[in-house]
Amino acid sequence: KQEVTQIPAALSVPEGENLVLNCSFTDSAIYNLQWFRQDPGKGLTSLLLIQSSQREQTSGRLNASLDKSSGRSTLYIAASQPGDSATYLCAVREMTNAGKSTFGDGTTLTVKP
Amino acid sequence: DTGVSQDPRHKITKRGQNVTFRCDPISEHNRLYWYRQTLGQGPEFLTYFQNEAQLEKSRLLSDRFSAERPKGSFSTLEIQRTEQGDSAMYLCASSLVREQYFGPGTRLTVT
Repeated sequence: KQEVTQIPAALSVPEGENLVLNCSFTDSAIYNLQWFRQDPGKGLTSLLLIQSSQREQTSGRLNASLDKSSGRSTLYIAASQPGDSATYLCAVREMTNAGKSTFGDGTTLTVKP
Repeated sequence: DTGVSQDPRHKITKRGQNVTFRCDPISEHNRLYWYRQTLGQGPEFLTYFQNEAQLEKSRLLSDRFSAERPKGSFSTLEIQRTEQGDSAMYLCASSLVREQYFGPGTRLTVT
């Protein structure tokens, strides 16, 4: 059974700092890994998707990496802003036909002005 | 708006009542997923449809839960005889190939 862990559970940084969020998973037979952002009481917004054959994806100030063999992914946020404050979730999608995702419990990020 | 939509956004019900939620996926997406999320946790998989066929159900989905996707379009999730433990955010997602797109969720409060 796939298990996904995100460390740390919460992170507080001053504005402008670069930061890294971590995601680890136990079964490397994955289809892809997706990073989401969730604001309080809201749905999930997709940030980046990395297919299992890829090593990284970039979008603006965000960069996500994937090391399938070690079961790890990182989300790097450059020059953090107060608007980046949210919960960040990683989801690992399995390779079976169902393709359901297993989520971590998220990292809650607070960026202080 | 061409994203995934869910209705209602909020539902407050008394214990023992039945509730039904609706999800409208992105129109060309053949796969539809239901997840449940409680406070401080990541979403947990409930069930999955490919077109109109329900292909997988989590053991989290007790006999009080039923989901349908008639004609492979919108989907409904019904909870019968609600319990306080059913209070959660119910999220719907759809996909075509690679990426899952999530709706805004329905927040259920059982009093």
